Amino acid sequence: KAGVTQTPRYLIKTRGQQVTLSCSPISGHRSVSWYQQTPGQGLQFLFEYFSETQRNKGNFPGRFSGRQFSNSRSEMNVSTLELGDSALYLCASTSGQGAYGYTFGSGTRLTVV
Amino acid sequence: SQQGEEDPQALSIQEGENATMNCSYKTSINNLQWYRQNSGRGLVHLILIRSNEREKHSGRLRVTLDTSKKSSSLLITASRAADTASYFCATDDSNYQLIWGAGTKLIIKP
Repeated sequence: KAGVTQTPRYLIKTRGQQVTLSCSPISGHRSVSWYQQTPGQGLQFLFEYFSETQRNKGNFPGRFSGRQFSNSRSEMNVSTLELGDSALYLCASTSGQGAYGYTFGSGTRLTVV
Repeated sequence: SQQGEEDPQALSIQEGENATMNCSYKTSINNLQWYRQNSGRGLVHLILIRSNEREKHSGRLRVTLDTSKKSSSLLITASRAADTASYFCATDDSNYQLIWGAGTKLIIKP
């Protein structure tokens, strides 16, 4: 079956702009999580959605938001981009509680200039 | 925030040797998972060990978990060049998120 698909793969944006990243989970997976990876902070949890409901949110400013659609696809949005938002953004999907691990997409590398 | 430490931060060994990485965490967990990441790409799930398990095997991988010490180790036996990657442990506390270690960068020399 197809894996987790993230688009776009690479993105270059200017400070102050906003960006939307997309994630299509594995068919049948209703939980989608987002993580930010940077050399300085490592992997950090952004948020998790299940059946269009956000169940948990990490410690990020309100500029970071997300949503999930009825087909389980998810988007995350970052408004008023800052240089520090440059990172690899990873999406993961799992069935239910994640008791068997998560499947990650290849990520979207965002560069803010 | 990161859950804990992984050590070593970097490990370089000869092909065919065994590689051992360690992970420590801070809070109670539901399970602990290990992932591999190649050159800043996506993470690949390797193995999951539940809090009531002490050891688990998958192919050339062996994971141990000591909940009293809040630590885990990942052993890769008979390493191959293709094992060159960064390895991360992540803990699941049943709060719909994974909390990650800082990772171990493994280099397998031919």
